[in-house]
Amino acid sequence: KQEVTQIPAALSVPEGENLVLNCSFTDSAIYNLQWFRQDPGKGLTSLLLIQSSQREQTSGRLNASLDKSSGRSTLYIAASQPGDSATYLCAVPNSGNTPLVFGKGTRLSVIA
Amino acid sequence: GAVVSQHPSWVICKSGTSVKIECRSLDFQATTMFWYRQFPKQSLMLMATSNEGSKATYEQGVEKDKFLINHASLTLSTLTVTSAHPEDSSFYICSATTGTGGGEAFFGQGTRLTVV
Repeated sequence: KQEVTQIPAALSVPEGENLVLNCSFTDSAIYNLQWFRQDPGKGLTSLLLIQSSQREQTSGRLNASLDKSSGRSTLYIAASQPGDSATYLCAVPNSGNTPLVFGKGTRLSVIA
Repeated sequence: GAVVSQHPSWVICKSGTSVKIECRSLDFQATTMFWYRQFPKQSLMLMATSNEGSKATYEQGVEKDKFLINHASLTLSTLTVTSAHPEDSSFYICSATTGTGGGEAFFGQGTRLTVV
């Protein structure tokens, strides 16, 4: 059974810092890996999708990497801003149209 | 990206009543949608898989008679919480995966259900 772990559970940084969020998964037979952002009381916003054949994806200040063989992904946020404060979730499906298995998330606070 | 719309965004109901939550894929067709539940400070837990034109598949421990799922069209799935009780109070979120884009999943805005 797939399990997804995210470290750290919470992180507080001053504005402008670069930071790394970690995600690990137990079953490397994944179809893709997705990073989401969730604001309090809101739904999920998709940030980055990495296919199983890819090693990284970039969108603006965000860069996600994937090392399938070791079961790890990282989300790198450059020059953090207070607006980046949210919970970040990583999730994997076992195939193209199966439900996602989520980590518990990293709660990020960026202090101005 | 693709859009999944969920309605209502919040609802308060009395214990014993039923509540229906709608999930629509606005710009793509979804033969499969998923319903998740999220308790405070917890991650999302899959409740059931909604299949267009057939019965939903429920996860272990989720009562199918309590959480009725109907997926009558390729763009609409509904979740009805029947005879709601305070312990059903939670955040319910639906998602759908597009056929293109490598299976990217998109989520609705979520529904905050409070049963009093």
